Amino acid sequence: KQEVTQIPAALSVPEGENLVLNCSFTDSAIYNLQWFRQDPGKGLTSLLLIQSSQREQTSGRLNASLDKSSGRSTLYIAASQPGDSATYLCAAGSGSARQLTFGSGTQLTVLP
Amino acid sequence: SAVISQKPSRDICQRGTSLTIQCQVDSQVTMMFWYRQQPGQSLTLIATANQGSEATYESGFVIDKFPISRPNLTFSTLTVSNMSPEDSSIYLCSVGWGEETQYFGPGTRLLVL
Repeated sequence: KQEVTQIPAALSVPEGENLVLNCSFTDSAIYNLQWFRQDPGKGLTSLLLIQSSQREQTSGRLNASLDKSSGRSTLYIAASQPGDSATYLCAAGSGSARQLTFGSGTQLTVLP
Repeated sequence: SAVISQKPSRDICQRGTSLTIQCQVDSQVTMMFWYRQQPGQSLTLIATANQGSEATYESGFVIDKFPISRPNLTFSTLTVSNMSPEDSSIYLCSVGWGEETQYFGPGTRLLVL
């Protein structure tokens, strides 16, 4: 059974810092790895999708990497802003229906 | 991409009753999923809604408690049956096309008294 872990559980940084969020998974037989953002009281917003054959994906100030062999993914946020404050979830896609197994999330606070 | 709506957006229910949650997508999708997010926790997959056949449930979830329908490629319902306070959660549907990005609905916030 796939298990996904995210470290740290919470992170507080001053505005402008670069930061890294970590995600690890136990079963390397994944099809993809997806990063989401969840704001309080709202649904999930997809940030980046990395297919199993890819090493990284970039979107604006966000860069996500994937190392299947070691069961790890990282989300790098450059020049953080207060608007980046949210909970960040990683999810590993596996199984015939590409079901997602979620980590417990990292709650990020960017201080002005 | 996909635009997903859920009804109701929130509800307060009495224990022992049932609530049916609807998920509507603006385009035909291959995969539809139902997730639960209990207070302060991450998302857990309840089941995969299969068009034209029974849903596939994850360990710990059963059809009698969470019956699911998927009559076509754009619509699904999840019923939470015989509710107890432990069922208080956010219920989210999501859609996907194979190995593409999954998109999530806004969620249904359920409080059971």
